[in-house]
Amino acid sequence: GESVGLHLPTLSVQEGDNSIINCAYSNSASDYFIWYKQESGKGPQFIIDIRSNMDKRQGQRVTVLLNKTVKHLSLQIAATQPGDSAVYFCAEPISGYSTLTFGKGTMLLVSP
Amino acid sequence: GAGVSQTPSNKVTEKGKYVELRCDPISGHTALYWYRQSLGQGPEFLIYFQGTGAADDSGLPNDRFFAVRPEGSVSTLKIQRTERGDSAVYLCASSLTWGRDTGELFFGEGSRLTVL
Repeated sequence: GESVGLHLPTLSVQEGDNSIINCAYSNSASDYFIWYKQESGKGPQFIIDIRSNMDKRQGQRVTVLLNKTVKHLSLQIAATQPGDSAVYFCAEPISGYSTLTFGKGTMLLVSP
Repeated sequence: GAGVSQTPSNKVTEKGKYVELRCDPISGHTALYWYRQSLGQGPEFLIYFQGTGAADDSGLPNDRFFAVRPEGSVSTLKIQRTERGDSAVYLCASSLTWGRDTGELFFGEGSRLTVL
């Protein structure tokens, strides 16, 4: 299920389940989105990106869906593994594409 | 190693002291970024270098924070008169290109700063 922890929304799943992590954005002019994964004690790591001329993009075990009508982004992880346990952030460019702004993040906990 | 290297990994200091945090980016990456991450939050942009120059420093919270990249490679983030509110993990990232080409930044493991 999904719950709000002390600081981060948390999604708890069983190993082998599919996980869906959601992100809402506010700027309707945004045209590029990126998902990052951050394991405990490490820096964020790029997972997958999508541009606004697409509504779906697939990677290895991950799929990103973009719904521009409701300004919503989701990351789907198939057959979730314990190694997927991490905090997941959606990000988008700011300042003329000079850098990225990150959302608050969702913690994914995968139990065996 | 081939990744972004940050030193020190941990720094404990007293309020009012001066701190330097170092970042060694991936060789050949011209773009370098500093972010700050507080517990339970996403990384917060501080400053971006393209080569030796600070292309965007709009995220620096105040004039106690300063960063340099004199030779277009290693960067140092400098914090003067540290305050307890400066306690956070300071992340450095680099990328080969910048702008619309890619949103893939390569992050280091961060420097955890604790101000007592």
